[in-house]
Amino acid sequence: AQSVSQHNHHVILSEAASLELGCNYSYGGTVNLFWYVQYPGQHLQLLLKYFSGDPLVKGIKGFEAEFIKSKFSFNLRKPSVQWSDTAEYFCAVNGQRDDKIIFGKGTRLHILP
Amino acid sequence: GAVVSQHPSWVICKSGTSVKIECRSLDFQATTMFWYRQFPKQSLMLMATSNEGSKATYEQGVEKDKFLINHASLTLSTLTVTSAHPEDSSFYICSARTRTDTQYFGPGTRLTVL
Repeated sequence: AQSVSQHNHHVILSEAASLELGCNYSYGGTVNLFWYVQYPGQHLQLLLKYFSGDPLVKGIKGFEAEFIKSKFSFNLRKPSVQWSDTAEYFCAVNGQRDDKIIFGKGTRLHILP
Repeated sequence: GAVVSQHPSWVICKSGTSVKIECRSLDFQATTMFWYRQFPKQSLMLMATSNEGSKATYEQGVEKDKFLINHASLTLSTLTVTSAHPEDSSFYICSARTRTDTQYFGPGTRLTVL
């Protein structure tokens, strides 16, 4: 079955700490991978995406993610978080021949000032 | 990035009435739009895929007669919740897919059924 698993439901960090949010997926076939962010009171915004090519993708606001095909993973990273990174982060996947995007349950990130 | 709008942003209605929610892609044409439902503190659940000029494809467990979807143009899809009941209260979010296969999301519509 197609699924996306985000390991951490809630993460609390201090400013300047490094961040890594785990994401694993289960999908038969070639995939596109996404990370979306939802800031408090705002709608979902695309943070970064991977379709093909370099497995290390860079997104907005200093975020990056690495696609490791052998591990079916697409972890999100940021070397030094800021208070403004407080938000909910969703990992998502769709097949390259499929319209539907499947979302993980989200990780709520709190950054302490 | 591309902009997707939804209207209204918040609606309160009485049980038994119908509510229409609009989703518009403002600066691009979208042959495919998607409707999601998000429960508090949970992820988005896909309800249906809306294709311009054809019938929507509903996910398993979603009543197509209750959640009517019309994708009348390349920039507009509507979701009508018919005979709404309190259990239909939720946050409804649409997205539109660009030619580069990226989905952009609307701000959502909060529906409260009394």
